Amino acid sequence: GESVGLHLPTLSVQEGDNSIINCAYSNSASDYFIWYKQESGKGPQFIIDIRSNMDKRQGQRVTVLLNKTVKHLSLQIAATQPGDSAVYFCAENLAYSGAGSYQLTFGKGTKLSVIP
Amino acid sequence: NAGVTQTPKFQVLKTGQSMTLQCAQDMNHNSMYWYRQDPGMGLRLIYYSASEGTTDKGEVPNGYNVSRLNKREFSLRLESAAPSQTSVYFCASSRGGQRWNSNQPQHFGDGTRLSIL
Repeated sequence: GESVGLHLPTLSVQEGDNSIINCAYSNSASDYFIWYKQESGKGPQFIIDIRSNMDKRQGQRVTVLLNKTVKHLSLQIAATQPGDSAVYFCAENLAYSGAGSYQLTFGKGTKLSVIP
Repeated sequence: NAGVTQTPKFQVLKTGQSMTLQCAQDMNHNSMYWYRQDPGMGLRLIYYSASEGTTDKGEVPNGYNVSRLNKREFSLRLESAAPSQTSVYFCASSRGGQRWNSNQPQHFGDGTRLSIL
């Protein structure tokens, strides 16, 4: 099975409400996680990342929470706007591939639709 | 501030034709990657280059070759295209570094949409 997955494939929220997108991972050795946003016809855009020595990290209108006990990652978007409509991916760092690089494994994505 | 630039944006090939997808980054990153994205499959790593002069296979390397031309450029070649290689191809780059500083995000281009008939 896939190491990184998402609980909800689609999510619809009212404009102005908060959004929560969830992600489960299965490898307890993963030590780095990233959330990406992908708009139609575009490449994934980095939103926020978190290392395994942290439980929470905040950015502008976004917060990532990491629960290592249950291997769960979530992305919270405050005051969701129409421009937030996109597919959101989580990714985990599964292996260190030497020479300073690393490999990521991506979930399949959750589509967020914002209702005006 | 271009970031990661991919060319071409769209391409249609016939089975058996060859093609090279180009990627360049202007962020002075050490590491570069090629992914394919298929519906329901997520992003899958084809090849990566941890640093200039090195390349390694990812999850799905069969049917592809890569060249790290210099620090900026990383190309992906299909020698004999097959319909199964119809996909959206993304190039990405990251700063790279030593293990204790290796956790850096990858930055993506906008993709090449490739159809093979």
